[in-house]
Amino acid sequence: EAGVAQSPRYKIIEKRQSVAFWCNPISGHATLYWYQQILGQGPKLLIQFQNNGVVDDSQLPKDRFSAERLKGVDSTLKIQPAKLEDSAVYLCASSGGFSGNTIYFGEGSWLTVV
Amino acid sequence: GQNIDQPTEMTATEGAIVQINCTYQTSGFNGLFWYQQHAGEAPTFLSYNVLDGLEEKGRFSSFLSRSKGYSYLLLKELQMKDSASYLCAARSGGSYIPTFGRGTSLIVHP
Repeated sequence: EAGVAQSPRYKIIEKRQSVAFWCNPISGHATLYWYQQILGQGPKLLIQFQNNGVVDDSQLPKDRFSAERLKGVDSTLKIQPAKLEDSAVYLCASSGGFSGNTIYFGEGSWLTVV
Repeated sequence: GQNIDQPTEMTATEGAIVQINCTYQTSGFNGLFWYQQHAGEAPTFLSYNVLDGLEEKGRFSSFLSRSKGYSYLLLKELQMKDSASYLCAARSGGSYIPTFGRGTSLIVHP
């Protein structure tokens, strides 16, 4: 079974530039999460989708971050404009349902803002 | 709000047993995860507890006490490859949103 796919793996951009990350969850998984993990900290939830609907985006900095999952399968997370403090790993995860007892993570997209 | 607390760092000797504790304060609790994360890699699933008690899975066991807001991960027969960060995550609310702690960095030495 293929895991959660993310791209790009690494990205370096200058502050005020934009960046987009892509995620393809495990086939059939209805719930998709985007987490931000700053070095030395645990993952922080940015947004949770159930199919193509948003379940929770209360911690998403909406002035600069946006995410979509238009067809209920793959998803994109965009940052525009980027700030230095956005340097982090952006982890995508999926589960069979929001009450599923296993959440699978992708390898992450490493962002460095300089 | 939610609060997940776990020790920042622990060290242990190869072959020994170590217990990593996690306390949580959350409304509408409905499950607790443990994940292992090696440096530079994604978190990998270890266990999920929703009922009180101990669940054993090979060298790893996880315990939950809902009344105390407490969980622990027990690692037996430690190996060098167990050196990693161990993340506790409590799930809550009608949306079953998982909130992660900062992680416990475990260092296993010979």
